[in-house]
Amino acid sequence: QQQVKQSPQSLIVQKGGISIINCAYENTAFDYFPWYQQFPGKGPALLIAIRPDVSEKKEGRFTISFNKSAKQFSLHIMDSQPGDSATYFCAARGSGNTGKLIFGQGTTLQVKP
Amino acid sequence: GAVVSQHPSWVICKSGTSVKIECRSLDFQATTMFWYRQFPKQSLMLMATSNEGSKATYEQGVEKDKFLINHASLTLSTLTVTSAHPEDSSFYICSAIPLRTVTDTQYFGPGTRLTVL
Repeated sequence: QQQVKQSPQSLIVQKGGISIINCAYENTAFDYFPWYQQFPGKGPALLIAIRPDVSEKKEGRFTISFNKSAKQFSLHIMDSQPGDSATYFCAARGSGNTGKLIFGQGTTLQVKP
Repeated sequence: GAVVSQHPSWVICKSGTSVKIECRSLDFQATTMFWYRQFPKQSLMLMATSNEGSKATYEQGVEKDKFLINHASLTLSTLTVTSAHPEDSSFYICSAIPLRTVTDTQYFGPGTRLTVL
């Protein structure tokens, strides 16, 4: 119940295309859903995050779509660029005010020029 | 703002020795810091939650006597890998949540690559 399932494992997109990464969860007590971007050998950096009372959030080329009833959320990267090539992790914050994040398995995105 | 640093960025040690990794919040205070480990091409695995002035809370399966965590101040947490073995080789990443803020954001450090020979 504490898992967050992420797909696909890897993704190849042409420059200018839309990259879509999906995550699903079981625990309805999760209250915060961030997406992190990680480059090789670096720590994760927050991209965008959403709370379950909002169905969509957009920041620049990045959009989170959130479906509370389906317990799914996704990251859309519009106009994907080669510089977006990285590993993306979705996460969910557990209940109980501990701040603990549970991460998805990660998606390696390659944007071809 | 909200920068988290780690030192060292990489370390190589001999089997049986202990290694200390520091995690600092540079421009904010944090009562709570987290320690993760990450194997190549895998996700982040939470090891423990570090709370300032109290004992760390370890995740199931993480040996607390092997991975010693000290959170002595609001800006510093340390992870000591005791009697390191090759299987402890990994990428260790810390994160911190700013104190007294409405943000949900957890800020991550750049990671420390540990190689045990």
